[in-house]
Amino acid sequence: EDKVVQSPLSLVVHEGDTVTLNCSYEVTNFRSLLWYKQEKKAPTFLFMLTSSGIEKKSGRLSSILDKKELFSILNITATQTGDSAVYLCAASNYGQNFVFGPGTRLSVLP
Amino acid sequence: EAQVTQNPRYLITVTGKKLTVTCSQNMNHEYMSWYRQDPGLGLRQIYYSMNVEVTDKGDVPEGYKVSRKEKRNFPLILESPSPNQTSLYFCASSLGRFNQPQHFGDGTRLSIL
Repeated sequence: EDKVVQSPLSLVVHEGDTVTLNCSYEVTNFRSLLWYKQEKKAPTFLFMLTSSGIEKKSGRLSSILDKKELFSILNITATQTGDSAVYLCAASNYGQNFVFGPGTRLSVLP
Repeated sequence: EAQVTQNPRYLITVTGKKLTVTCSQNMNHEYMSWYRQDPGLGLRQIYYSMNVEVTDKGDVPEGYKVSRKEKRNFPLILESPSPNQTSLYFCASSLGRFNQPQHFGDGTRLSIL
């Protein structure tokens, strides 16, 4: 059975800290790994990763995929209170089926 | 504005009373999908559709039906809702090729008593 595991499930940090969120996956016919940020409502897209070792960056956020070890990390540097959210990791296969992890709830305190 | 619109946003109903949650997107996306989100379980895919008249089961399809008669619409039907279908439901859409990132609607919170 396909599955995605995220750790930690919950994290509390102070503004300015750097955090690393982890995502491991077991998906048959893996195609891509996606990260989303979910605040109060709909998840919003952050990154899509298909190749190993190539870092994707957007401002203070970055992510990388390791297809040999079947995991990805999402880094957030110099965290701000606006980064408080649930971060979701999803793995897709060639059949367009998406499997999501349970999410990591990040709380950034002022 | 590009968006995925779900209706209703909130619904409280009773066991066995058929209901439909509508989903519409204005981005001409081929791919559409329904998810349910429950605490501690994340998003679980119910059904997805690669294009008009093409639908496939996701991980948790039992108790749900979908149809894709037009490209922009992808309704979720609960023929005989039960309390274990109480959940937060999201519709999403994307360009159909190569697992493109999905755009999500704002969610529908269903409570079935």
